[in-house]
Amino acid sequence: DQQVKQNSPSLSVQEGRISILNCDYTNSMFDYFLWYKKYPAEGPTFLISISSIKDKNEDGRFTVFLNKSAKHLSLHIVPSQPGDSAVYFCAASAVGTGGFKTIFGAGTRLFVKA
Amino acid sequence: GAGVSQTPSNKVTEKGKYVELRCDPISGHTALYWYRQSLGQGPEFLIYFQGTGAADDSGLPNDRFFAVRPEGSVSTLKIQRTERGDSAVYLCASSLTTSGGVNEQFFGPGTRLTVL
Repeated sequence: DQQVKQNSPSLSVQEGRISILNCDYTNSMFDYFLWYKKYPAEGPTFLISISSIKDKNEDGRFTVFLNKSAKHLSLHIVPSQPGDSAVYFCAASAVGTGGFKTIFGAGTRLFVKA
Repeated sequence: GAGVSQTPSNKVTEKGKYVELRCDPISGHTALYWYRQSLGQGPEFLIYFQGTGAADDSGLPNDRFFAVRPEGSVSTLKIQRTERGDSAVYLCASSLTTSGGVNEQFFGPGTRLTVL
């Protein structure tokens, strides 16, 4: 049972354009969401997070949007740069119920073409 | 400062053998996590430590898997009677634990385990 789903295994975007990575979740107890970025042969690196009390969080070129009613979140990267090419993981946890267990999606591989 | 380190970086073993994977978290991080990542998948939660105790071990697949963190710092993941299906990258992460439970985790580079 995949509680966090990233249905697009890959995405290709031209440099300078917007990258939109999507994530859906099924567990309504999730109240904290994170995006991680992973380069080959390295561990995932935290990128940005959002609490369920918000619907948007922005950090530089990265913005995460949360739609609780649809159980959907998305990561926007504007403008996309070749160095953004990596695998992006969406993750969720139920912090409010005392859970630190984090569930990850399968990832989306982003290719940013120069 | 030093990040999370994991040793060995690669481990090749034979089916039925015992292996130990080590994780050194960031100094001062009270929370430590183990994950397993198979090809084409995201990290799969195995176990979470708060200090020395395993606060949530619900992700351990069976009783062949065991993890310890005796002094609240270094952790060892132990796998008995390894099977070919155990082959994966084992990731360790650590984090501070805030009152709000926000858990930005810092990951190590992983140990690639191959069971022949």
